[in-house]
Amino acid sequence: EADIYQTPRYLVIGTGKKITLECSQTMGHDKMYWYQQDPGMELHLIHYSYGVNSTEKGDLSSESTVSRIRTEHFPLTLESARPSHTSQYLCASSEYRRDTDYEQYFGPGTRLTVT
Amino acid sequence: KNQVEQSPQSLIILEGKNCTLQCNYTVSPFSNLRWYKQDTGRGPVSLTIMTFSENTKSNGRYTATLDADTKQSSLHITASQLSDSASYICVVFDRGSTLGRLYFGRGTQLTVWP
Repeated sequence: EADIYQTPRYLVIGTGKKITLECSQTMGHDKMYWYQQDPGMELHLIHYSYGVNSTEKGDLSSESTVSRIRTEHFPLTLESARPSHTSQYLCASSEYRRDTDYEQYFGPGTRLTVT
Repeated sequence: KNQVEQSPQSLIILEGKNCTLQCNYTVSPFSNLRWYKQDTGRGPVSLTIMTFSENTKSNGRYTATLDADTKQSSLHITASQLSDSASYICVVFDRGSTLGRLYFGRGTQLTVWP
């Protein structure tokens, strides 16, 4: 079982509010990721980080921002939530292993609903 | 167009029966192919990882096969259980950059009925 945690698990919030989705891992992994997933659709990478003070945008354009001040912590922030941000947000981390290459471990996800 | 296509989109089977899920991909170059299980409201959990040189890999009642020539993979579930109800996602990994790139399928939603 992977030691990667996300809070909150569920969030319903009004339009225009600022929100931060928390992600923490205790495995010491350098690489961390944020994915967005809509029902019945594939996961889309929105942010990733190689390590502390490193953040990059992913394939899917997102109005969210991320920070990586500590290895174990990779929060995602939306300055002004909109209904179009309603989705499931999954955090993941990875390490290089000789037998599995970059094995990714996923958190349980945050289901965000913006009304 | 998604580079990883899965079929069927959804499947219902009775408990104890076997089933096979399909994955076709066009990702190239290709480092490895992974199958994940995602329970409703949870994150994906890895079931198997196969490199291009492997034809089959098992994990308990789950057996994955890979044909790198035709770019096809399958996941066979034997003696299904109610707890197998989940989405099964095929993921292709391309280690073409420092980070590597994961290509996700949309998943097959499996429902096991008692």
